[in-house]
Amino acid sequence: GQNIDQPTEMTATEGAIVQINCTYQTSGFNGLFWYQQHAGEAPTFLSYNVLDGLEEKGRFSSFLSRSKGYSYLLLKELQMKDSASYLCAVMDSNYQLIWGAGTKLIIKP
Amino acid sequence: ETGVTQTPRHLVMGMTNKKSLKCEQHLGHNAMYWYKQSAKKPLELMFVYSLEERVENNSVPSRFSPECPNSSHLFLHLHTLQPEDSALYLCASSRGLAVTDTQYFGPGTRLTVL
Repeated sequence: GQNIDQPTEMTATEGAIVQINCTYQTSGFNGLFWYQQHAGEAPTFLSYNVLDGLEEKGRFSSFLSRSKGYSYLLLKELQMKDSASYLCAVMDSNYQLIWGAGTKLIIKP
Repeated sequence: ETGVTQTPRHLVMGMTNKKSLKCEQHLGHNAMYWYKQSAKKPLELMFVYSLEERVENNSVPSRFSPECPNSSHLFLHLHTLQPEDSALYLCASSRGLAVTDTQYFGPGTRLTVL
């Protein structure tokens, strides 16, 4: 079966750095996505990785290792507004997005 | 503002009611999606439309009936739902079905079935 695993909840301090991990087992791989979803709002696109390595976009970076079936989302200089759920999703060989259950990130002052 | 709107934002219905969820995208996209999001569970893809043709139907019960009259509008018709159908229903759109065509989501309709 296809599976995406990510921690259910994480807590971090304002101004710090946090890494949210995602491991996947899918039938084929056509890229990995990270989305941010604030409570009661729509998920919004953060990043797309299809090649191994680190993609940096401002305070957010996303890393991919296809051989390990592993990705992480790195958030630096955390702000209170970063409190949200972070969704990992993999596009499989049928070009279907397989979603993780999301990681709820709580930022404390 | 993501360019994808959904109405209503909240809906409470009985098991014998018939209701419809509406999604509208203002992005000029050609593909639209319905997802179900239950608490602490992954997003479940329900239906995919491309150029108003249904291209994906993921074994969704027939009590959910989608309709795509044009590329800007998508409906989800609901009838004789069950309490376990209570969830957040998200609509999304994308330029096309290519891998690199990012999906843009609406804010969702929070559905409660009594």
